[in-house]
Amino acid sequence: AQSVTQLGSHVSVSEGALVLLRCNYSSSVPPYLFWYVQYPNQGLQLLLKYTTGATLVKGINGFEAEFKKSETSFHLTKPSAHMSDAAEYFCAPPGSGSARQLTFGSGTQLTVLP
Amino acid sequence: EAGVTQFPSHSVIEKGQTVTLRCDPISGHDNLYWYRRVMGKEIKFLLHFVKESKQDESGMPNNRFLAERTGGTYSTLKVQPAELEDSGVYFCASSQGDRTYEQYFGPGTRLTVT
Repeated sequence: AQSVTQLGSHVSVSEGALVLLRCNYSSSVPPYLFWYVQYPNQGLQLLLKYTTGATLVKGINGFEAEFKKSETSFHLTKPSAHMSDAAEYFCAPPGSGSARQLTFGSGTQLTVLP
Repeated sequence: EAGVTQFPSHSVIEKGQTVTLRCDPISGHDNLYWYRRVMGKEIKFLLHFVKESKQDESGMPNNRFLAERTGGTYSTLKVQPAELEDSGVYFCASSQGDRTYEQYFGPGTRLTVT
């Protein structure tokens, strides 16, 4: 079964600094990979998705992620953090079941310091 | 286009009571998913409907949980009787046809069992 590891349950960056949130998936190459974001008191919002093809994926709000098969990684980055980026971020590959359900990482809480 | 809606947003009940959560998916989405996040844990898949049929309920914790999707529109998730360990946030998601990996989430229902 597909699994994912998010390194760092909490990440703090200064406003304007680079954001790097790490995600490593299990060895089997998933057909898709997603990053979701949950802003305070809101539901999960799709940030970006990887499908077969281009390995650098651009999402909303200036975020992007690069699929690296050799490193089994799909790290999320943003060149310059804004205060509004404070949220919890989830890496999610699809599960192996026929339901195509998502399997979520443990989440990374991003704090942006003024 | 209206998103996925969930009702109620919060529910506080006593152990042994019954609670029913409701999810209205995006109109036209055949696939409906329920997930749960217990505090401090990952978001976990509970079950999947295609229209009114349960396709996969492998994630349902036990027989105190009953999900229905009458007419293939909205879905309900009943917990009876509720236990303390049922506390958490229950998310509903929907997706359309063959794009079943890309799911749209509701804001969640925060259930507290005391």
